[in-house]
Amino acid sequence: QQPVQSPQAVILREGEDAVINCSSSKALYSVHWYRQKHGEAPVFLMILLKGGEQKGHEKISASFNEKKQQSSLYLTASQLSYSGTYFCGTKSEGTDSWGKLQFGAGTQVVVTP
Amino acid sequence: DAGITQSPRHKVTETGTPVTLRCHQTENHRYMYWYRQDPGHGLRLIHYSYGVKDTDKGEVSDGYSVSRSKTEDFLLTLESATSSQTSVYFCATQMSQGDSNQPQHFGDGTRLSIL
Repeated sequence: QQPVQSPQAVILREGEDAVINCSSSKALYSVHWYRQKHGEAPVFLMILLKGGEQKGHEKISASFNEKKQQSSLYLTASQLSYSGTYFCGTKSEGTDSWGKLQFGAGTQVVVTP
Repeated sequence: DAGITQSPRHKVTETGTPVTLRCHQTENHRYMYWYRQDPGHGLRLIHYSYGVKDTDKGEVSDGYSVSRSKTEDFLLTLESATSSQTSVYFCATQMSQGDSNQPQHFGDGTRLSIL
């Protein structure tokens, strides 16, 4: 089942912060985060594993809340380059060992000057 | 980057014609995936491969077939294209044993329009 991302879209001014959530109805084992700019391929940001530590990539970080089966992506002091669509990809516990992911519908982020 | 090349990058064709999309990788990654991307749906898995001649269906496999005769090439075929298959298609690769610790690397996509 596809994870649910929220919000669907967010508009920020440079320097502002934002949070993107990715929620699943199933117990999660891992969450991948990707960013896709218009007309380009998705680019990997980070992976969070159940029981793992919060990750960071530049001023973008993420956490994994096992109780809520949710991961949150934090955009801190946003820059123009952060604009794009952010996708989470999830792998549920108890599924086979392949690396197949279920992707959310995406959150469009627009950072304005 | 994983050195992934998709071809063609753009294609326009008519309903009922067969179409084959190619994904070529140079990193010797074992796992390869085909996704389609449509507005409001994100990335949906069509088929995947876990080795040469080893493939399996994803969540939206109807109307599609795949083949992998070499590690580096993964082909996606639409046997008889329909307008509902108009989409952007992405290939992705992943190293090691499909370990969830490993990221997927994406190609630049193929924009397919079926008239």
